[in-house]
Formats: sequence, C-alpha cells, structure tokens
Amino acid sequence: DGGITQSPKYLFRKEGQNVTLSCEQNLNHDAMYWYRQDPGQGLRLIYYSQIVNDFQKGDIAEGYSVSREKKESFPLTVTSAQKNPTAFYLCASSTWTGDSGANVLTFGAGSRLTVL
Amino acid sequence: KNEVEQSPQNLTAQEGEFITINCSYSVGISALHWLQQHPGGGIVSLFMLSSGKKKHGRLIATINIQEKHSSLHITASHPRDSAVYICAVRYRGGWGGSNYKLTFGKGTLLTVNP
Repeated sequence: DGGITQSPKYLFRKEGQNVTLSCEQNLNHDAMYWYRQDPGQGLRLIYYSQIVNDFQKGDIAEGYSVSREKKESFPLTVTSAQKNPTAFYLCASSTWTGDSGANVLTFGAGSRLTVL
Repeated sequence: KNEVEQSPQNLTAQEGEFITINCSYSVGISALHWLQQHPGGGIVSLFMLSSGKKKHGRLIATINIQEKHSSLHITASHPRDSAVYICAVRYRGGWGGSNYKLTFGKGTLLTVNP
C-alpha cells in the first residue's frame, strides 16, 4: 500500500547533538513537507520541497536542515542550533493540480523527539 | 496575519449525538482541509473543499466562501470518532511555491462517551 513512512517513531537526544528524522513516500507525490506540532498549537511548517533538489524554508526553519536528493525521500536534521527541539514532527506529501491549489495530502505517523 | 480559528476547542458528546465543529479564516482561500488526528499522532485527511459540501459516511463538510467559514458535522457519533479534528487552509495568492503552504487551526478535541 502507498503511504509515508517516518522513522524513528520515538527519539531521545542529548543537548548539543544533531539528529536526523527519516521520511520516505511511495505515492509518487511531487511535494513534501515537514511540520512541527507543540501542545496547544497548530502545526507549523519547517521546510517544504516542490521538486527534487529544491526546497524552501517554512515559518520556523531556524535550527533545522533538509535535503531532497530523491523524489521519495525528504529527511529532516534537527541541529544543535534548535533551541527547543522537543516536539512531535510530522512529514507530509501532496500532489499538485494547478492554480486551484487542490491536492491530495497525506501525512506520516510522526516522530516524537525528546531532548534530555 | 492570516489565521485559522476553530471552535470549540474541546467537545464532549454522548454516543449517537450530532456533532458540529467550526472553522473560520480571515482572507480568500483556494482550498480547505479537514484532518483527523488520533491519539498516537498520525493524521488522516478527511476532506478537501473549495466550495459547497462533501459527504463521506457519517461525516459531512460544508464551506461558505462568502462568510469564510466551514463546518465539519458528524452524525450518529461513536466513541471511535474521538480524536482531534484540525482545519487547514491554503490561502490564495503568492507565487507557486507558497500555494503549497497550509495554515492550520489549533484543533478541536472531540471525546465521545459510550
């Protein structure tokens, strides 16, 4: 079945360490996204990518980095520069059907990062 | 600032009740999504609307473009409907890349008791 796979589901990190969250999709979607979710807040966009080898900063990109070397993969690195990295991270992908902005949107199961 | 407001924040119902969750946004949009997030965190897309009404099983989503308002209705609610329901909009305008961006509401926590 097609879908998005995020790993790991749970991750613990010591302060000062970089960690990378994996996101893989087999939906043949062009666009991929990383969101952060904190209690009591809406999802916030970290980075997004429309096509391979291209990505754009979202609203809260500081302290994060991404790459898009393959259509299927969009890993997120949480660097030591991110001051408050403990959060739930969601990867998503979508199709694109033109100016209407209509698209199919699919989410992964999420990765919960805790900084010790 | 473009914002999405959901109400209520929390909703408790008895099994079988009719549920309504509301979503308001501030400027013109090209699409609105209703999403469901179960405990454990994964999110499922329920509906995408740009006008009118959509129905899937016991779920109905409506949108009023002039009033900048959407509602999600659940008929004959069941404990398995307990989840956080999230509204997200794609605002009009901007260059091609920004059309991919969604603005999310904070969610409505629905608890349906047996």
